[in-house]
Amino acid sequence: EPEVTQTPSHQVTQMGQEVILRCVPISNHLYFYWYRQILGQKVEFLVSFYNNEISEKSEIFDDQFSVERPDGSNFTLKIRSTKLEDSAMYFCASSEFYGGPANTEAFFGQGTRLTVV
Amino acid sequence: AQKITQTQPGMFVQEKEAVTLDCTYDTSDPSYGLFWYKQPSSGEMIFLIYQGSYDQQNATEGRYSLNFQKARKSANLVISASQLGDSAMYFCAMRPYSGNTPLVFGKGTRLSVIA
Repeated sequence: EPEVTQTPSHQVTQMGQEVILRCVPISNHLYFYWYRQILGQKVEFLVSFYNNEISEKSEIFDDQFSVERPDGSNFTLKIRSTKLEDSAMYFCASSEFYGGPANTEAFFGQGTRLTVV
Repeated sequence: AQKITQTQPGMFVQEKEAVTLDCTYDTSDPSYGLFWYKQPSSGEMIFLIYQGSYDQQNATEGRYSLNFQKARKSANLVISASQLGDSAMYFCAMRPYSGNTPLVFGKGTRLSVIA
C-alpha cells in the first residue's frame, strides 16, 4: 500500500540552527501539507502546497518557515532559525484532491520528532 | 471557522468491551467530512474512519463505527471488542466540502485498554 515517508524520524538541533524536514508524498497525489503537534497538544495545520506554490498557510507558518518541492518526489519543510518552541512532531500529509470532496483523506507520514535544545 | 471538541482527555476500557469516544463539532458550512485518526505511542497518524455530512448511514470500518448525529453535531467513535493494541490517542477532525480548508483537529482522547 502506498504511504507517505518522512525523514528523519527524530532530529535534535541547537537553537538558532536551520533544519530541513523531508517528506516523500504518495506518488500520484497532488496536494501536500505540513502539520505540527506540540507534545501533548492537538495537531495544528501549518501549510498546504499545490502546483509548486503555497495554497494556504496558518499564522504559525511565519517567515522562519518555508516549503519546497525541489524535485518530482520530495517535499521539504525548512525552519531557518529554530527556537525552543519549535520542538514538536511534524507531520507531512498528501491527498489526491484539495478541499472537496471532503472524503478525500489526507494520508499522513509517520512524523519527524524535532527537538530543539 | 470549524471547531472540534473532544471532552474526554482519557478513557479506560476493559479488553473485549466496547467504548465510545466523544466528538462534537461546530461549523457554518453546510457540507463537511468528519474523520477519526489513531495515534499510537510511536507517533504516526493512522486514518480510521470517515463520515460525510450527507451520508444517510453511519460509517463502519471493521470494529470501528461512527455514531453520527447531525442535529446534535456529534460524531462519536465506537470501538467494539477492544483490544490491547487499541491503546492510543484518538483524534477527531473535520473539513468542509468547499473551499481550501485543511483538516481541523480536536485535542484528542487517550484510550487505555486494560487486560
